[in-house]
Amino acid sequence: NAGVMQNPRHLVRRRGQEARLRCSPMKGHSHVYWYRQLPEEGLKFMVYLQKENIIDESGMPKERFSAEFPKEGPSILRIQQVVRGDSAAYFCASSPLAGGGTEAFFGQGTRLTVV
Amino acid sequence: SQQGEEDPQALSIQEGENATMNCSYKTSINNLQWYRQNSGRGLVHLILIRSNEREKHSGRLRVTLDTSKKSSSLLITASRAADTASYFCATEGRKTSGSRLTFGEGTQLTVNP
Repeated sequence: NAGVMQNPRHLVRRRGQEARLRCSPMKGHSHVYWYRQLPEEGLKFMVYLQKENIIDESGMPKERFSAEFPKEGPSILRIQQVVRGDSAAYFCASSPLAGGGTEAFFGQGTRLTVV
Repeated sequence: SQQGEEDPQALSIQEGENATMNCSYKTSINNLQWYRQNSGRGLVHLILIRSNEREKHSGRLRVTLDTSKKSSSLLITASRAADTASYFCATEGRKTSGSRLTFGEGTQLTVNP
């Protein structure tokens, strides 16, 4: 059973381009969480999705950021018109259940650099 | 309000010594978890302690939880150079959605050989 798979591991984008980050949860997990980590800081929650539904997007910036988790395929975090401040590591986590002390498993992250 | 604040921010010890890191939080929680992150890498889950537990052990790790003080500590005994990493506490709040976690800013541990 492969762990949470994120790709690409590293992504370089010029200002104004779009960044598309993918996350394949562990097999049997239908809950996906995205976090952002700025340099020298802890992880900050962005969005929580279940298949085809956004459950909690309270941590997502209101503009340029969107996330989806379709019925088939990976979860996608999309950043439009990237700016230098979007440079960070983006982590995805998945869990089989919602809450109640269920451990969430993290991927290795995608490191986005905006030049 | 900021949740999951660790102290110290940085800790440097010699191999064989014990390392203690502390974490404080502000809201009611279901559980508290500790993670390790090596430089530039992903997170490794170390241990989860539920709100009705006071202490938990896993190998060289010992975690305590004091819900009255809203604090937790992580003790690593007989440290090794390989323990050098950043350590984060993360809380699953009672009122948050799913398994959403709130992370602290981390403690950078350096174990000198």
